[in-house]
Amino acid sequence: NAGVTQTPKFQVLKTGQSMTLQCAQDMNHNSMYWYRQDPGMGLRLIYYSASEGTTDKGEVPNGYNVSRLNKREFSLRLESAAPSQTSVYFCASSRAGPLRGGYTFGSGTRLTVV
Amino acid sequence: GQQVMQIPQYQHVQEGEDFTTYCNSSTTLSNIQWYKQRPGGHPVFLIQLVKSGEVKKQKRLTFQFGEAKKNSSLHITATQTTDVGTYFCAANNNNDMRFGAGTRLTVKP
Repeated sequence: NAGVTQTPKFQVLKTGQSMTLQCAQDMNHNSMYWYRQDPGMGLRLIYYSASEGTTDKGEVPNGYNVSRLNKREFSLRLESAAPSQTSVYFCASSRAGPLRGGYTFGSGTRLTVV
Repeated sequence: GQQVMQIPQYQHVQEGEDFTTYCNSSTTLSNIQWYKQRPGGHPVFLIQLVKSGEVKKQKRLTFQFGEAKKNSSLHITATQTTDVGTYFCAANNNNDMRFGAGTRLTVKP
């Protein structure tokens, strides 16, 4: 099925561990995004990639790094996980930024840091 | 940066009643988008509004963009149990898009 695929769906980490969240889209979209969702706070942008080869910080980039591996794939890395990074992470993609249409979201990764 | 306020935070209605959520921005917007997220699910794009005063309808859902392009509303007529979920606005100011905190709608059959 066409869309945005995220892995893993669930993850529990110990404080200080590292991990990479994977995201791939098959809609030939140019732009990709990583959001985190916390109760009562909506979705906050961590990093985005307007096009292949570029990445930029969003509202809450501290503690994260990203890689736009190719047009399809955009990964999010936590180098040293902290309990404050417990959240639901969503990857999204769009044709060309928010001026030109809605985002397609993946099903999310529920991350718990203990 | 821009501030996006969405009210109410929660709304509980009896099936068949109407529902409205409001989104207000501190800045003039390029466009506004609306999303629905079912419990345990992911946000799903509903619609984008671009023009001042624009009104769009999708079956029982009516979306409005304010004349000053600083606010928007989503109105659902005669709610059904399938409308349950959280509705988010996403306010875009020159490619700086911010999501509201959402309005969580529950519907009693």
